[in-house]
Amino acid sequence: GQNIDQPTEMTATEGAIVQINCTYQTSGFNGLFWYQQHAGEAPTFLSYNVLDGLEEKGRFSSFLSRSKGYSYLLLKELQMKDSASYLCAHQAGTALIFGKGTTLSVSS
Amino acid sequence: DTEVTQTPKHLVMGMTNKKSLKCEQHMGHRAMYWYKQKAKKPPELMFVYSYEKLSINESVPSRFSPECPNSSLLNLHLHALQPEDSALYLCASSSGANVLTFGAGSRLTVL
Repeated sequence: GQNIDQPTEMTATEGAIVQINCTYQTSGFNGLFWYQQHAGEAPTFLSYNVLDGLEEKGRFSSFLSRSKGYSYLLLKELQMKDSASYLCAHQAGTALIFGKGTTLSVSS
Repeated sequence: DTEVTQTPKHLVMGMTNKKSLKCEQHMGHRAMYWYKQKAKKPPELMFVYSYEKLSINESVPSRFSPECPNSSLLNLHLHALQPEDSALYLCASSSGANVLTFGAGSRLTVL
């Protein structure tokens, strides 16, 4: 079976750093994805981890520990436009199964 | 072209109507997907087509009928829907075991 857990909501201020955690349980692992979704829009791809460690992409980084079933998305130098839902997703075959998402609110 | 295009953007239909949602991509992706998303919920997988063949049906009611006429097109035919079927329907494509690219979605309201 597959189970993905992440916090429902988080708040932060402009310029800060925030870490969104995701834990998962799965019978087979093919990769861990992070997507960003603004209200009323489609999800957009942020990052992908298949091996343990940190993947850095500008202000966004994602970490994976397969032995712990754990990932996090790190957002640096937060901007107001980063207010969105952040979806952790596990790959099952060729499909993505999403967690419930974390709604991040960035205030000035 | 790096986009997935969905039409219509908005659709209102009655419970006795028959309508279709359309999705198109020209990235050469061989896998295409339909997801359903209710407000403040994550996308839920409905169907997966791989090389134009239905490979996954997540126990979706038969009032939703997918069709893949060719490798660039994916349709979702709707018939006898219920008000609870109102949602954002997202199409996505991928080159296989890789990143999904989503369309902007079709927002469906069933009266």
